[in-house]
Amino acid sequence: SQTIHQWPATLVQPVGSPLSLECTVEGTSNPNLYWYRQAAGRGLQLLFYSVGIGQISSEVPQNLSASRPQDRQFILSSKKLLLSDSGFYLCAWSVQQGVETQYFGPGTRLLVL
Amino acid sequence: QQPVQSPQAVILREGEDAVINCSSSKALYSVHWYRQKHGEAPVFLMILLKGGEQKGHEKISASFNEKKQQSSLYLTASQLSYSGTYFCGTETKDNYGQNFVFGPGTRLSVLP
Repeated sequence: SQTIHQWPATLVQPVGSPLSLECTVEGTSNPNLYWYRQAAGRGLQLLFYSVGIGQISSEVPQNLSASRPQDRQFILSSKKLLLSDSGFYLCAWSVQQGVETQYFGPGTRLLVL
Repeated sequence: QQPVQSPQAVILREGEDAVINCSSSKALYSVHWYRQKHGEAPVFLMILLKGGEQKGHEKISASFNEKKQQSSLYLTASQLSYSGTYFCGTETKDNYGQNFVFGPGTRLSVLP
């Protein structure tokens, strides 16, 4: 069966510090991978998605970036965090072919102070 | 383009029924429903692929009207465990490929 991991689970960072969030998927090959951000009490904002190694599409221009160094690894980064980067970051995967049912990881709660 | 969900929020007593609607301005290929409990990640409930299709999950069912470009989620005899935010996700296809977008969510609170 497929599982998706995210770490860390929670993170408190000062403004201007760097960020690296990691997501890994097990039990499937060549998945589509997604990064979402959810502000408190709000909906899901798609940040990045990837259909393969090194292939990243950005949905919202901002100070975040994403990389996919391996087939089942997806990393979200920032060089300098802003207060507005606080939120709940969710990684998701879906199969490449067919309808894109997305399965979410447990999420990382980020607080920027 | 993001689908529209209604209502934005609903409060129920245990045992009452509710309907959540999801509509799109584009022709839909499929509709997905997710539930997110407070502080947790969204969990997939069901997917509807064909016009007029209905599906069920526990006492939660959904319909998909292709012509009207909308889907409805029916929660029957609601339980406390149904509380959470319900998101629909709509899949559309055009000449550029597939597009999947989540709606803004409907917050459901079930009270004892």
